[in-house]
Amino acid sequence: GAGVSQSPSNKVTEKGKDVELRCDPISGHTALYWYRQSLGQGLEFLIYFQGNSAPDKSGLPSDRFSAERTGGSVSTLTIQRTQQEDSAVYLCASSLKVSDFSYEQYFGPGTRLTVT
Amino acid sequence: GNSVTQMEGPVTLSEEAFLTINCTYTATGYPSLFWYVQYPGEGLQLLLKATKADDKGSNKGFEATYRKETTSFHLEKGSVQVSDSAVYFCALSDGGKLTFGKGITLSVRP
Repeated sequence: GAGVSQSPSNKVTEKGKDVELRCDPISGHTALYWYRQSLGQGLEFLIYFQGNSAPDKSGLPSDRFSAERTGGSVSTLTIQRTQQEDSAVYLCASSLKVSDFSYEQYFGPGTRLTVT
Repeated sequence: GNSVTQMEGPVTLSEEAFLTINCTYTATGYPSLFWYVQYPGEGLQLLLKATKADDKGSNKGFEATYRKETTSFHLEKGSVQVSDSAVYFCALSDGGKLTFGKGITLSVRP
């Protein structure tokens, strides 16, 4: 079946512009996660949605970052007033949350964001 | 808070050599432990996992045992292949988000 898809695959933007990154999770997966991967910081958790519960936003680095998940499926990560330090690969993952300890997260190919 | 520490890399081995990649963790509670792999040009994929102490995860000839007494989850393979060249990430989860180690690049020479 189809895996996690993300768009765009690459995005180049000017400093100060807003960007939107999209994630389509695996159908039927109730949990959706955003991470970012950068040379300096490695892989960092950003935000997590589980069903209709309030999202866990504890990893968002600043109030310029926000995310929403519409209809329990597609998610959009928005970065406002982008800065050069926002340059990274943004990864989305989804999982079928069977229990707190046994689920697997399936990752998308990522969106490479470059802020010039 | 939770953290994962991996040995420094990169690691270069000859084909058929034995591989060990060290991973230790700090966590409150009883996390699940994972090894993820990122092959060149591909996305992250789960290699193996263990959900409780003394569990052994295994896949594609790789193994790792959840050691609660030493808070470790070292990855081993008896005979590496060129196709194992990739970046390997150790990670833990305590019920939601994954906390990753910094990753280590493995290169296997023919």
